[in-house]
Amino acid sequence: KNEVEQSPQNLTAQEGEFITINCSYSVGISALHWLQQHPGGGIVSLFMLSSGKKKHGRLIATINIQEKHSSLHITASHPRDSAVYICAVSDVYSGGGADGLTFGKGTHLIIQP
Amino acid sequence: KAGVTQTPRYLIKTRGQQVTLSCSPISGHRSVSWYQQTPGQGLQFLFEYFSETQRNKGNFPGRFSGRQFSNSRSEMNVSTLELGDSALYLCASSFQQGNEQFFGPGTRLTVL
Repeated sequence: KNEVEQSPQNLTAQEGEFITINCSYSVGISALHWLQQHPGGGIVSLFMLSSGKKKHGRLIATINIQEKHSSLHITASHPRDSAVYICAVSDVYSGGGADGLTFGKGTHLIIQP
Repeated sequence: KAGVTQTPRYLIKTRGQQVTLSCSPISGHRSVSWYQQTPGQGLQFLFEYFSETQRNKGNFPGRFSGRQFSNSRSEMNVSTLELGDSALYLCASSFQQGNEQFFGPGTRLTVL
């Protein structure tokens, strides 16, 4: 079973700062997901990636398959980016079945004005 | 396109009762996964359904069960509720297995 570790657990930064959240996992995966959860519980999928880099607006996600590591970057951070960011991986099951997600414990991000 | 919907949004039950939660996926999505979120354990995978068949199951007791209908709507059932079952239950849908998942707003279950 995959073990997913995120760091930092908590992060407080000032508006405009460049934010990096890290995620590492223990065994091979079919894909890695970055999720955002706001107070109240709703979860939004930010990225799903299996190699390289993806960019959406001010968000950038990268993954290094060899090192089993991914990073989520937020450029020009804003108070509305305050949320919990969760890394999750889709395990590779024998037989090609999919893929219940295994989650990290999340990074609680606060961006102060 | 409407998002994933879950009903009810909030539920209060007492120990020993059973509960059924419902999830309607995005139109055209055939895969539905269920997750439990608690402060102590975080998010954990319950099970996944695709084309009315359970494809994967997480490490939960048999009191947790589910099913998927021909229209891809899914239900999960928890029998003989325990205090520790109090949690946010989330479902997520995807077009097919292995695709990006879209989450519903969740059902917050409180067991008294």
